[in-house]
This record gives sequence, structure tokens and C-alpha cells, in this order.
Amino acid sequence: KAGVTQTPRYLIKTRGQQVTLSCSPISGHRSVSWYQQTPGQGLQFLFEYFSETQRNKGNFPGRFSGRQFSNSRSEMNVSTLELGDSALYLCASSLAQGGTYEQYFGPGTRLTVT
Amino acid sequence: QKEVEQNSGPLSVPEGAIASLNCTYSDRGSQSFFWYRQYSGKSPELIMSIYSNGDKEDGRFTAQLNKASQYVSLLIRDSQPSDSATYLCAVSSGYALNFGKGTSLLVTP
Repeated sequence: KAGVTQTPRYLIKTRGQQVTLSCSPISGHRSVSWYQQTPGQGLQFLFEYFSETQRNKGNFPGRFSGRQFSNSRSEMNVSTLELGDSALYLCASSLAQGGTYEQYFGPGTRLTVT
Repeated sequence: QKEVEQNSGPLSVPEGAIASLNCTYSDRGSQSFFWYRQYSGKSPELIMSIYSNGDKEDGRFTAQLNKASQYVSLLIRDSQPSDSATYLCAVSSGYALNFGKGTSLLVTP
């Protein structure tokens, strides 16, 4: 099975712009979660989607949003970028059923805000 | 606030030794526990999951869970230089994973 894919892999944006990141989960996985990883804060949960519904949201401002499509692919959007949004953004997919909750990560999108 | 604590290390062990990595968590309602390995510049890779008290073995890896003590550990037997990485403990009580900051492991030849 193909793993989780994320596009683009690298992105450079200017403060104030917005950005959209894309994630395709492992085939058959209906849950997609997004995380932000920075050297100072580590890995922090952004939000989780299952069957196009957001089931949980982390402690991030409203500038961070996401959605999931009927084919389980997901996008996250960050508006009005700030320098502090520079991070590795990771998507993870999970079967999320039958007692199986393991999350598998994609390669990530490295976002740099200048 | 749900916290997951790990020693940042680095933990240095000689090749062939047992590496012991520890993690404590604050949320007593946590139900799922995971260990991830992350090499520098790469994304986290799932190496172990554990859901009930006791030990779970997979190859050279053993995960141990003690819910009463809110403690999870990972043992790596016959450590190899290729095991040198940051090991992340993750705990879940719902749909989100809460991660520790990770323990850096260095296996010296």
C-alpha cells in the first residue's frame, strides 16, 4: 500500500499571505489528522477529520482551518501567515476503527514564512 | 492540560546494549499509547502501539504500560547505530495524539 502523501514538500511564503497544504491518506483510512512540529513546541495537534467531519481541534487560532473531502483527502489552510507559523506540518492517517487507532505520518510540508 | 513527559537526553548506549526510554502522562483517561521514531529531517515513524497494561514485544522492541503509575516505556534490545534517533511517546484519549518532546538516543559503535 502506498503511504501518506503530502504536497507540496517545501513552501516559502511571505508574512500576511495564506497557504493551503494537501494530504492524501493511506487507501482505506478515513481519519486524517494534522500536526505542527517546531523545535520549541514539539509536535502539536491541529485537528482531526473523519468522514468529512471535524471531530477534534487543538489549541490553535482560527487562522488555521481544514477540511476533508469525500475521498478522505484533506487540506489545511493557514491565513494571514505569521513568522511563527514557520514549521513542519505533518498529516497522519488512521483506520480509526475496530480498535485500531495507529496513526501513520506523511513526509510533511516544510513551511517557511519570511 | 494533558501532558506527556520524556527526558530529552541524549541517552547514550553502546552498540549491543539495551536502551530504555521512559514516558509519563497526566491524563488518567488515556487509552492508547504509541512510540514513534524520528530521524533528523524525517517524519515520525510508528514503531509500537500498546493499549493494555503489561508488555508487548515486537522484534527487538518491547513496550511496557502501567496505567496505575501513568507510565509507558520502550526497551530496545541489541541496540544498533541505526537506532540513533529521537523517540517520541504519544498518548491518546480520543482522536488526538499528545506527544512528548522526545528522547534523543545515540548508539555508539
